[in-house]
Amino acid sequence: EVQLLESGGALIQPGGSLRLSCASSGFTFKTRSMTWVRQGPGKGLEWVSSIDGSGDSTYYADSVKGRFSISRDNYKSTVYLQMNSLRAEDTALYYCTKHLPGYKYYMDVWGKGTTVTVSS
Amino acid sequence: QSPLTQPHSVSGSPGQSVTISCTGTSSDVGGYNYVSWYQQHPGEAPKLIIYDVHKRPSGVPDRFSGSKSGNTASLTISGLQADDEADYSCCSSAGGYMLVFGGGTKLTVL
Repeated sequence: EVQLLESGGALIQPGGSLRLSCASSGFTFKTRSMTWVRQGPGKGLEWVSSIDGSGDSTYYADSVKGRFSISRDNYKSTVYLQMNSLRAEDTALYYCTKHLPGYKYYMDVWGKGTTVTVSS
Repeated sequence: QSPLTQPHSVSGSPGQSVTISCTGTSSDVGGYNYVSWYQQHPGEAPKLIIYDVHKRPSGVPDRFSGSKSGNTASLTISGLQADDEADYSCCSSAGGYMLVFGGGTKLTVL
């Protein structure tokens, strides 16, 4: 069974840093692009960042570019999201997602999410 | 990148059909046939139900169908069932690996 398990969410002060992790199992991790999607309280889904299977190519939404960094460890089947200079508007449930095999734009498996709250 | 525009809510009775629209621009919906739809029940993670504008992943009933015309994509749910009550979000490529979602539509089954 394919599983994604996020961790690392916390209550953090503005300007602080946090690293989210997503441990994966049940599929050939190194062949799949992975994406972080977030959902603010009462808001819609927002694409945050994607990384290809090798980790060589990374992509970011304008809202997080320069502050967030996505990476992966294919030996540990884990993808990370390093979040720096956090702002109140980064408060959200962060989902780790796996891409549909062979596709760049569709996420067919989602984790349950980890909550990040940015507040003083 | 601005979110795609979806109606805040739609409703329908069991057995009826409803259509949810998703309007973007020529830089996203209108420019690419990479539109997807996600269903999200309260407290749960989203589930992919449509990709490539009109394709359904394995296990998704054919009551769910997708289409696109110009800058607007649409999701139609026919034969409404109580379990279809959920939030539905569209998503489109915006060039390269960039993705843009809609604000989400709450479907109420009366």
